[in-house]
Amino acid sequence: AQKVTQAQTEISVVEKEDVTLDCVYETRDTTYYLFWYKQPPSGELVFLIRRNSFDEQNEISGRYSWNFQKSTSSFNFTITASQVVDSAVYFCALSEARGADGLTFGKGTHLIIQP
Amino acid sequence: DTGVSQNPRHKITKRGQNVTFRCDPISEHNRLYWYRQTLGQGPEFLTYFQNEAQLEKSRLLSDRFSAERPKGSFSTLEIQRTEQGDSAMYLCASSTGQGSWDTEAFFGQGTRLTVV
Repeated sequence: AQKVTQAQTEISVVEKEDVTLDCVYETRDTTYYLFWYKQPPSGELVFLIRRNSFDEQNEISGRYSWNFQKSTSSFNFTITASQVVDSAVYFCALSEARGADGLTFGKGTHLIIQP
Repeated sequence: DTGVSQNPRHKITKRGQNVTFRCDPISEHNRLYWYRQTLGQGPEFLTYFQNEAQLEKSRLLSDRFSAERPKGSFSTLEIQRTEQGDSAMYLCASSTGQGSWDTEAFFGQGTRLTVV
């Protein structure tokens, strides 16, 4: 069975600090997809990134970067020079390619950026 | 493209009543998903449609829950004889794809259900 673990329930940092959100996943499939979503207080889940299991290249998008390591089954998310607007709950999710049974989400990390 | 739209945004109902939620996906998206999210948890998959066909149902979806997607456009989720444990945020998502699900899903803002 697939599983996603986000061990950090809540992280609080001061604005402009860098912060890394951890994600560890479990799956028996060799083909799978990993996602990060942001959920601001408004409640709508906002898509941030999708990676497939064959692409371990790290990705950078502005202040956001992702580190995918199959050896440790991790897909960590780093925000550089954090801003107050980054405050939200962040979810890591996994989808196995063999069937359309939706995403398996972690419990989320509540990120608080203090001014 | 106005995104995924869900109605109502909030619903308060008495235990034992039936409720129905509606989801309007992004127009060109053929796949539609329902998720349930309780406080402090990540969303949990409930069911999935490809066009008008309901292809997957989670074990979380008890007999009191039914979902439809007539004509492959909007979808409804009905909960019969609501229980307090049904209180949650119900999220709808849509995406495009064939075969393996490898596209990102776009989520609506959800319907928050409170059963009193």
